[in-house]
Amino acid sequence: QKEVEQNSGPLSVPEGAIASLNCTYSDRGSQSFFWYRQYSGKSPELIMSIYSNGDKEDGRFTAQLNKASQYVSLLIRDSQPSDSATYLCAVIRGGGADGLTFGKGTHLIIQP
Amino acid sequence: SAVISQKPSRDICQRGTSLTIQCQVDSQVTMMFWYRQQPGQSLTLIATANQGSEATYESGFVIDKFPISRPNLTFSTLTVSNMSPEDSSIYLCTQRVWGQTEAFFGQGTRLTVV
Repeated sequence: QKEVEQNSGPLSVPEGAIASLNCTYSDRGSQSFFWYRQYSGKSPELIMSIYSNGDKEDGRFTAQLNKASQYVSLLIRDSQPSDSATYLCAVIRGGGADGLTFGKGTHLIIQP
Repeated sequence: SAVISQKPSRDICQRGTSLTIQCQVDSQVTMMFWYRQQPGQSLTLIATANQGSEATYESGFVIDKFPISRPNLTFSTLTVSNMSPEDSSIYLCTQRVWGQTEAFFGQGTRLTVV
């Protein structure tokens, strides 16, 4: 079982709709969870972090965490063409001294 | 977040040679990490750069191939040794500030081995 799993997509969403990106992880000891956005040819950009069960909202982005189900999601409301990118889910395993473990990323396409 | 500078931003190298990538941050971060992103793939952690001691390598990465130095809290280097075309990747440095878990990336080094 891969440590962090994401559907690679592409996920196609009409402009203005809600994009829903999902991620599961295998290490129950993971405490910190992140969503990065990566445009083609660019380095990853941190857009959300979440540490507790429930929802965390920041502008058009909402991160959701369910530790019992080992599930993290990212919702993007009012999707814009500029949101088209690869979204990477990342976790810090165990006690927190480790680096990030990344999923393979979901390629999101927002259709005008 | 700290500002992270990597040099070079890109390079084309001959197989069998070595390239040293530099990473400089503008604050005294406690942890620095090196990642590799192969074409069309996600990021893979190579190692944690430890200040004043040997780096901690992930499974599948060894010091002879990827020697890492961190002489102080704000600077680290990664060398890709005896390169082959399979080493063509983006190499990224990241840092974590004391007391925080969020990590930010530099612009990366795009390496092509021919």
